[in-house]
Amino acid sequence: QVQLQESGPGLVKPSQTLSLTCTVSGDSISSGSYYWSWFRQPAGKGLELIGRVYTSGRTNYNPSLKSRVTISVDTSKNQFALKLSSVTAADTAVYYCAREIGDPWGQGTLVTVSS
Amino acid sequence: EIVLTQSPATLSLSPGERATLSCRASQSVSSYLAWYQQKPGQAPRLLISDASDRATGIPARFSGSGSGTDFTLTISSLEPEDFAVYYCQQRSSWPLTFGQGTKVEI
Repeated sequence: QVQLQESGPGLVKPSQTLSLTCTVSGDSISSGSYYWSWFRQPAGKGLELIGRVYTSGRTNYNPSLKSRVTISVDTSKNQFALKLSSVTAADTAVYYCAREIGDPWGQGTLVTVSS
Repeated sequence: EIVLTQSPATLSLSPGERATLSCRASQSVSSYLAWYQQKPGQAPRLLISDASDRATGIPARFSGSGSGTDFTLTISSLEPEDFAVYYCQQRSSWPLTFGQGTKVEI
């Protein structure tokens, strides 16, 4: 079965760029016609979509974050990645990657924005 | 964007009881609604997609219904492991959005 795993720095300074990678295992990221998504969840709060990428490279972003987000895919590494620029404390959250709407999800990784 | 409103915010029940959770959309989402379960420290888990389709491995005590703007997740008889937070999510229009969650507590 497909499994996803997020990786990247757990601490990012304000105004810098948050960078995370999601590694897909158990199947090729290119099999099927899936898209791959990023979500986030601040502590004690609800879930927010960040955006998605298709294996063609086509992307869609949440308008609330669009100016700061870049999502990319590397099919040779079976990975997709998230970059969020100009971060502030409000971007502190658990970040999740997932296949499509969320089946399955990665375990999540906490990213704290602090100097 | 489509706003999903879940009710109640908290549901206090006992094992063996029936749980009924509601999700209302600010405009029609047809049947493009999913339900997730999230336990503390864990990622969400897909329970139901397209309003009523149980995901692989999800017990039959979980069922979903509704279409348009009003949806229901029913847990027919609560097991101890079902006490968690439940979220609805719509994929009818971009961006995908979630409800604020319903906590099912003992």
